[in-house]
Amino acid sequence: GENVGLHLPTLSVQEGDNSIINCAYSNSASDYFIWYKQESGKGPQFIIDIRSNMDKRQGQRVTVLLNKTVKHLSLQIAATQPGDSAVYFCAENMEGDYKLSFGAGTTVTVRA
Amino acid sequence: NAGVTQTPKFRILKIGQSMTLQCTQDMNHNYMYWYRQDPGMGLKLIYYSVGAGITDKGEVPNGYNVSRSTTEDFPLRLELAAPSQTSVYFCASSYSSSGAGTEAFFGQGTRLTVV
Repeated sequence: GENVGLHLPTLSVQEGDNSIINCAYSNSASDYFIWYKQESGKGPQFIIDIRSNMDKRQGQRVTVLLNKTVKHLSLQIAATQPGDSAVYFCAENMEGDYKLSFGAGTTVTVRA
Repeated sequence: NAGVTQTPKFRILKIGQSMTLQCTQDMNHNYMYWYRQDPGMGLKLIYYSVGAGITDKGEVPNGYNVSRSTTEDFPLRLELAAPSQTSVYFCASSYSSSGAGTEAFFGQGTRLTVV
């Protein structure tokens, strides 16, 4: 159920497995990154964020990794559950800027 | 707190009609945003506001207008609806402009179809 490296628009994961969702960001000047989860028919919800002076940050069942050298961001979800089925977006922000730029999103489907 | 509230949830417009999408937030956030989300795509910024009386264009502003007369409200206006404006529209707010705190809180969305 893991997918490392390239960004793919969809990811199918067995319940209980770990998931890895990848994102390549575009602006080397971006210094703040966020992962959002969007369930069907709802607006995006904040999951976890990371600043550019960090390379890893952990939350509850989620970990975000940042590799500034290759401009790559990943979200790891431990012990994936059916409620994790959603579209996941990464977003980036540059210091002094007012807005977030969003990636295309990855649809995660959890198999029972 | 209700957070960010958008109305209506759904709307069908005929080509050339106009409408206003309402957005209000009760978190006293200075920064507000309008995004559109096309099927299978990420969110694209239409307009944003850094405070009452101040608005600015985002990536895709053509065909839209906004106003920000109060901190709470940020309505989005479509003057002459076109099929290309069929999309899901999200309003969002944040308390900071950049860095930590930029995390935007989103409304539930307005699904607009122009026929």
